Amino acid sequence: DAGITQSPRHKVTETGTPVTLRCHQTENHRYMYWYRQDPGHGLRLIHYSYGVKDTDKGEVSDGYSVSRSKTEDFLLTLESATSSQTSVYFCAISEDRDKEKLFFGSGTQLSVL
Amino acid sequence: QKEVEQDPGPLSVPEGAIVSLNCTYSNSAFQYFMWYRQYSRKGPELLMYTYSSGNKEDGRFTAQVDKSSKYISLFIRDSQPSDSATYLCAMSRVNNAGNMLTFGGGTRLMVKP
Repeated sequence: DAGITQSPRHKVTETGTPVTLRCHQTENHRYMYWYRQDPGHGLRLIHYSYGVKDTDKGEVSDGYSVSRSKTEDFLLTLESATSSQTSVYFCAISEDRDKEKLFFGSGTQLSVL
Repeated sequence: QKEVEQDPGPLSVPEGAIVSLNCTYSNSAFQYFMWYRQYSRKGPELLMYTYSSGNKEDGRFTAQVDKSSKYISLFIRDSQPSDSATYLCAMSRVNNAGNMLTFGGGTRLMVKP
């Protein structure tokens, strides 16, 4: 998957606990994204990053925060997980000259009980 | 009404058939059009990428964009069982913040031997 590693691949957690998902890339691409995929809603952008320490919100950012301290790592944190955040989370990357072409990781299945 | 509509299927065809997958959209600002293929429990994989109207061919795949009708299609010739997957259309505006893609919900395709 285009040099993108997501961890963990599966996670089960309880409501109210903090959760951090990690995305690691070996492509040295500038842009990194977190999407969630839900039946009936397709893929929706949560947050994105356009460089180290440069991040911004997507269309469904409430309840999520992100950090990017190195080019290769992009972390997604659920401060206090809720059942509505049960989803499959995908990290994606794109490079500067073709930034509309996104390459996705294999996903993290998160279940919040 | 969603910005991008896609019939969820499933679409079942015999091996060797020509497959037509379609999306309609409402936002005339969309300029980049993409098709992603997603196998079960995997991340989406970029299949075709087109800018503005017209056709683009790559092997057995042809992407077609009709901006006047706000309609895009993906044709698969000589379909194979390995083409069985969910196909997602995606589109974006020029210079939009975060390079946010708007996805259709996906069409599940099954090619039977």
